[in-house]
Amino acid sequence: EAQVTQNPRYLITVTGKKLTVTCSQNMNHEYMSWYRQDPGLGLRQIYYSMNVEVTDKGDVPEGYKVSRKEKRNFPLILESPSPNQTSLYFCASSLGGTGGYEQYFGPGTRLTVT
Amino acid sequence: GEDVEQSLFLSVREGDSSVINCTYTDSSSTYLYWYKQEPGAGLQLLTYIFSNMDMKQDQRLTVLLNKKDKHLSLRIADTQTGDSAIYFCAESTDSSASKIIFGSGTRLSIRP
Repeated sequence: EAQVTQNPRYLITVTGKKLTVTCSQNMNHEYMSWYRQDPGLGLRQIYYSMNVEVTDKGDVPEGYKVSRKEKRNFPLILESPSPNQTSLYFCASSLGGTGGYEQYFGPGTRLTVT
Repeated sequence: GEDVEQSLFLSVREGDSSVINCTYTDSSSTYLYWYKQEPGAGLQLLTYIFSNMDMKQDQRLTVLLNKKDKHLSLRIADTQTGDSAIYFCAESTDSSASKIIFGSGTRLSIRP
């Protein structure tokens, strides 16, 4: 089944404790993105990647890191989480190129930082 | 910068039509989307329209685009309880969907 998976789905952590949220897609998509969803703000893009080893900042990159060492994986790293990073996070992928306009979303990771 | 705006809530009676409206600011938007988010799930592409189109119909869904006013609407005919969800308007300027700007989402609730 074609899908985007994220782990963990739920995470409660404390301020300053490094964490990684994994994202994997099995559709051989070129493009991958991370978003955060906050009430009343919709989805805001954190980082995106157009291919292996090619990443770029989205609208709200502060406090986050990403890497794209393999085409299928795009982990999101919070080196020192803070309470304002409590949010619902979505990973998404798209085919890229002409016609690759649809983004496929993972099920989301709900992160709470205390 | 680019912005996409939509109202936060809409309540309709079951069987009526729902109309969700959206405005965007980027005149170079090429692709305009409607995504649906059901409770506890990620977003799913519902429909899309290219900027050179005025209207697109897909079963119960009708998308209208007024490019001059930068206004996009989604009409759901014969609204059912299963249509309860958050609907996101979104736009991008390139075909690769690498960077999509989302609105804040409209929560559609259905009353009997």
